[in-house]
Amino acid sequence: AQSVTQLGSHVSVSEGALVLLRCNYSSSVPPYLFWYVQYPNQGLQLLLKYTTGATLVKGINGFEAEFKKSETSFHLTKPSAHMSDAAEYFCAVSAGTGGFKTIFGAGTRLFVKA
Amino acid sequence: KAGVTQTPRYLIKTRGQQVTLSCSPISGHRSVSWYQQTPGQGLQFLFEYFSETQRNKGNFPGRFSGRQFSNSRSEMNVSTLELGDSALYLCASSHGQGRQSGYTFGSGTRLTVV
Repeated sequence: AQSVTQLGSHVSVSEGALVLLRCNYSSSVPPYLFWYVQYPNQGLQLLLKYTTGATLVKGINGFEAEFKKSETSFHLTKPSAHMSDAAEYFCAVSAGTGGFKTIFGAGTRLFVKA
Repeated sequence: KAGVTQTPRYLIKTRGQQVTLSCSPISGHRSVSWYQQTPGQGLQFLFEYFSETQRNKGNFPGRFSGRQFSNSRSEMNVSTLELGDSALYLCASSHGQGRQSGYTFGSGTRLTVV
């Protein structure tokens, strides 16, 4: 069965600084990987996804993530944080052995300081 | 293009009662998944429906049930409510297999059991 671990429940950065949110996954078969963002009192919004092909994936709002099979990681980055990036971010994994369900990490809340 | 619509947005119920939540997916999406989100457990998969058939089910008691109609709209029902059922219930839709394409989420129904 697949699983996903997000390192750090809270991350704080200054506006303009690099954003790095860490995600490691476990899967016995090639996984599909996702990052979602959730703003207060809203549902989740898909930021980006990796299925096959290029391992560096670009998403919305300037975010990108790199799939590293050897490290079983899919970290999310953004070169320069903006106040509007403050939200909770979820890494998710789905794989054939898990049936049709997608498993989400516990989430990382990003704080952006002025 | 309308998004995923969940009704109602907020609900307060008493222990022992039952509740029905509704989800209208994006037009053309045939897959609907349900998740329960709580501060302690995060996002927990409930079930997924595709073309009126339940394809997968999470580890929830039988009090939790769902169905999907021919127009892809879905409902979930929780019977004999417990205090621990208080949560944000999120519906997510996808065109085909959400585990590959990713999901579009609704804003959720916040259920409070008193």
